[in-house]
This record gives sequence, C-alpha cells and structure tokens, in this order.
Amino acid sequence: GQQVMQIPQYQHVQEGEDFTTYCNSSTTLSNIQWYKQRPGGHPVFLIQLVKSGEVKKQKRLTFQFGEAKKNSSLHITATQTTDVGTYFCAGPQGGQGNLIFGKGTKLSVKP
Amino acid sequence: NAGVTQTPKFQVLKTGQSMTLQCAQDMNHEYMSWYRQDPGMGLRLIHYSVGAGITDQGEVPNGYNVSRSTTEDFPLRLLSAAPSQTSVYFCASSPSGYSYNEQFFGPGTRLTVL
Repeated sequence: GQQVMQIPQYQHVQEGEDFTTYCNSSTTLSNIQWYKQRPGGHPVFLIQLVKSGEVKKQKRLTFQFGEAKKNSSLHITATQTTDVGTYFCAGPQGGQGNLIFGKGTKLSVKP
Repeated sequence: NAGVTQTPKFQVLKTGQSMTLQCAQDMNHEYMSWYRQDPGMGLRLIHYSVGAGITDQGEVPNGYNVSRSTTEDFPLRLLSAAPSQTSVYFCASSPSGYSYNEQFFGPGTRLTVL
C-alpha cells in the first residue's frame, strides 16, 4: 500500500545550526502538506505544496516539493528553541480528504 | 470560533469498559476524521466522514465505531477497551473532502487502558 517515509526520526541540534527533514512517498502525490506538533500539543498546519519543483519560504523555513512529486523537504535555517517539536509531512490518500502521515522527525534544540 | 474541541482531555479505563470520545467543530466543515498517535508510529487514521450521515473506515478501525448525525459532531466510541488502545486520539476537520484542504486538529484526548 501507499507509504510516506520521513528521515531522520530524531535530530538534535545546537541552537543556530540548520536542520533538514526529508519526506519520501511510494506514489506520486498531487500535493504534500507539512505540520508541526509542539511537545504535548496537537499537529498544526504549516504549508501545502502543489506544483512540481515548488519552493516556498516562511521566514527561516524553506519547503521544497520534488520534480517527480514523490519527495519533499523542510529546511530550517539557524534553529531556535521555539523550533522544538515534531515535523510531519502528509500526502493525500484515497481522494476523499484523507491524509497519510509520515512518522515525523522530532527536533530538539540545545540552547 | 472555538475551532475543533475534544473532551475529555485525559481518561483512564479498565479493560472491557466502553466510552465515547467527543469531538465538535464550529467551522461548518464537511470533513472530519479521527487519528490515533502512538510513539514512533505517527498519526494513523481510524475513521472519517465526508458529511453528515456518511462515515467510512480508515487504516485502523477495529474496536472503534463512529457516527455523524450533525455537521458539527463526530464522536468516537470504544466498544470494549483494550490495553492496545492506549494512545493519544486526535480529531481533525477540514472544509471539504478534497485533499487540497489543510486539516485543523483538536487538542487531543490522552487515553490509558489498564
């Protein structure tokens, strides 16, 4: 069946270092979404990418959608302690609004 | 708008007990869903609904029932709780059953089954 894989599972960085998480789908995606979950919180939508090769930026966060629409990445420049949390990618599954989530990358930032 | 609300926030059950997790949204969203989140497993879809009166199974539906009598409410029922159902449960909604919509998540219910 359809799978969405994320690496790494965990990432520990020093504050100010960069961070990247990668998402790979077993099938071509019509779009991909990214969510952030703070410790003890709930997932919160960050962004959606739709076009092949699309790049979007939100302040220090850069999101990319691969040319084949099977992979995506999230890059954080100069991490801050406020970036701590788990980052999930999610792609559509089944065409009725369902999402299949990757297992997430848990980011910890040492001040 | 309160967004997506869930009750209770925490619950402890004994094996075999039944209970209902409540979920409500005030955004007039057509699509609602339930996920469970387990360590290292990400979010897995239990059941979903694309509108009032319409529900369907997700990836891990066994042991759970849902109904959608109104647009606003989407309760999740555990029929006979088992320790394997210890998890964090999230309800989510989006404007329609169309994959381009972001999903809005509730704060979650943390369930422990002894």
